Amino acid sequence: EPEVTQTPSHQVTQMGQEVILRCVPISNHLYFYWYRQILGQKVEFLVSFYNNEISEKSEIFDDQFSVERPDGSNFTLKIRSTKLEDSAMYFCASRGDRGTYNEQFFGPGTRLTVL
Amino acid sequence: GNSVTQMEGPVTLSEEAFLTINCTYTATGYPSLFWYVQYPGEGLQLLLKATKADDKGSNKGFEATYRKETTSFHLEKGSVQVSDSAVYFCALNSGYSTLTFGKGTMLLVSP
Repeated sequence: EPEVTQTPSHQVTQMGQEVILRCVPISNHLYFYWYRQILGQKVEFLVSFYNNEISEKSEIFDDQFSVERPDGSNFTLKIRSTKLEDSAMYFCASRGDRGTYNEQFFGPGTRLTVL
Repeated sequence: GNSVTQMEGPVTLSEEAFLTINCTYTATGYPSLFWYVQYPGEGLQLLLKATKADDKGSNKGFEATYRKETTSFHLEKGSVQVSDSAVYFCALNSGYSTLTFGKGTMLLVSP
């Protein structure tokens, strides 16, 4: 069964460093998402991406964040200069065409720890 | 804006006990409602869904009914198993918008 994959499973970085979180969505999906979950808190939407551009973003997704689909298979989230409060689990999700049901399929997540 | 409120966990039950996890929501329009489950070390998996009022979603013995009058979507299972131990998230979206999640409820089932 097709699935969303994410790498790495755990990333440790120093405050101020750049990190790139990688996702491989399901191959025929068209809509891509990043969510995050700070420990003990709810899962929060960051950004959605369609047709090679951002379609929606939350207040959390400030200038320190960017997303890219560099090669037609990967979907990346970059944090330019990490802060302690960026420590969280980051989930990637993808969804098929609007003609299908609006179910988002999630990856296993990347745990980001900023020291 | 949209919001989802779930009961606090952890919920601790013995095997074969009855499970209810409460979920209420506020939303504009007519949202679709979801329950996602996260097993230890894994991602979020869709457990069940309901797209309109009075719909009942069901899967793996779990059920939830979309109650518009009480803006609720409570998750139930008649007889839980140890393998049901996980974190359960209630969520909604309006149309094709992004998902709004609750905080999650941890379920611990002991033999």
